[in-house]
Amino acid sequence: ETGVTQSPTHLIKTRGQQVTLRCSSQSGHNTVSWYQQALGQGPQFIFQYYREEENGRGNFPPRFSGLQFPNYSSELNVNALELDDSALYLCASRESDRANYGYTFGSGTRLTVV
Amino acid sequence: DAKTTQPPSMDCAEGRAANLPCNHSTISGNEYVYWYRQIHSQGPQYIIHGLKNNETNEMASLIITEDRKSSTLILPHATLRDTAVYYCIENSGYSTLTFGKGTMLLVSP
Repeated sequence: ETGVTQSPTHLIKTRGQQVTLRCSSQSGHNTVSWYQQALGQGPQFIFQYYREEENGRGNFPPRFSGLQFPNYSSELNVNALELDDSALYLCASRESDRANYGYTFGSGTRLTVV
Repeated sequence: DAKTTQPPSMDCAEGRAANLPCNHSTISGNEYVYWYRQIHSQGPQYIIHGLKNNETNEMASLIITEDRKSSTLILPHATLRDTAVYYCIENSGYSTLTFGKGTMLLVSP
């Protein structure tokens, strides 16, 4: 399997709800990162997982959490949604021993909180 | 916050070379210069990276100054499909990516 696939592509949720976004990475990509991109801004790093353990986190509150699975898939969970959580959420992955060859990004999930 | 500086926007005529500059005055010795681009409604796409030497691949060329304080991404024959936001990023290869606002390149007919 090639490429990074994210689902769903679009999602509308109500303030206070919880959401789970999914990412399926290429086989062998044991490092996965999640980013939030607000309109007109560059992507902002949320957290990174390596071999199913979180090994880096950006300036995001604990209601943003994640999981990485042995089959190279991962999830981003956001609890208690706020209006400002409306953004494009991007998943990116790479092989850890090919670190300087760049990340492969998915096309993202567009989350709208109303 | 991003450590690189890029112009917010640039224009280029189709078929001409697009030269996108980036200043990275605080780059560390072990950090590469990476370039990604993001076409509207898609995720960022890796273009090229380099440490000290100039690099070329099927997508672009990367020119890095000798002092490594600045670089230029060159798209030799820009097409309409090259219209995108281009990000220059300093990265050791083992840390996460820090994006700025990038340069919006508009390629016109």
